[in-house]
Amino acid sequence: ETGVTQTPRHLVMGMTNKKSLKCEQHLGHNAMYWYKQSAKKPLELMFVYNFKEQTENNSVPSRFSPECPNSSHLFLHLHTLQPEDSALYLCASRQHPSGSSYEQYFGPGTRLTVT
Amino acid sequence: KQEVTQIPAALSVPEGENLVLNCSFTDSAIYNLQWFRQDPGKGLTSLLLIQSSQREQTSGRLNASLDKSSGRSTLYIAASQPGDSATYLCAYIGSSNTGKLIFGQGTTLQVKP
Repeated sequence: ETGVTQTPRHLVMGMTNKKSLKCEQHLGHNAMYWYKQSAKKPLELMFVYNFKEQTENNSVPSRFSPECPNSSHLFLHLHTLQPEDSALYLCASRQHPSGSSYEQYFGPGTRLTVT
Repeated sequence: KQEVTQIPAALSVPEGENLVLNCSFTDSAIYNLQWFRQDPGKGLTSLLLIQSSQREQTSGRLNASLDKSSGRSTLYIAASQPGDSATYLCAYIGSSNTGKLIFGQGTTLQVKP
């Protein structure tokens, strides 16, 4: 257990569906991240939130919509996805550094299949 | 372009062997570098973090080194065990320290009993 939980663990959705992924961290961190892991490609950053504010959007299509209501929770809202969006979606958190380098802690991921 | 290359892509060894996994990166100025382990279909477990001012870190049978000048890091695993079988990922944060980790594609290790 890393202190970062993700739900659901598995999700199958059609291209016209709307669903949300949830991430919660119990570590007292104030920075949270969404990453995407596709087959045959390196893990890639999608979004960064520091102190609930989005500080980075890595050119992610608008069919992915993040939400960070507080420092402990992060959501990824999904709508009209494409089959190529099928991947493992990983959430991570860390303490936003003030002069220190802190590790990122990852959740177990949500395996998303778009049919 | 920020890139991380991990060699080899896959490795199969008999139990008990010492082995070295390699990671090279293009940025000359990095904030820190992390090694992760990922079991099939699972999330990432952080193994070691090396800050830019450090040369190496050790945890149990694992030792990671960092050479910023050459853009390389190595993960040394001593006396490998079947339970070490997993994919090992190298990732770094650039000097701007936004928290954005740049990942390699990983080395998939199989340790045979």
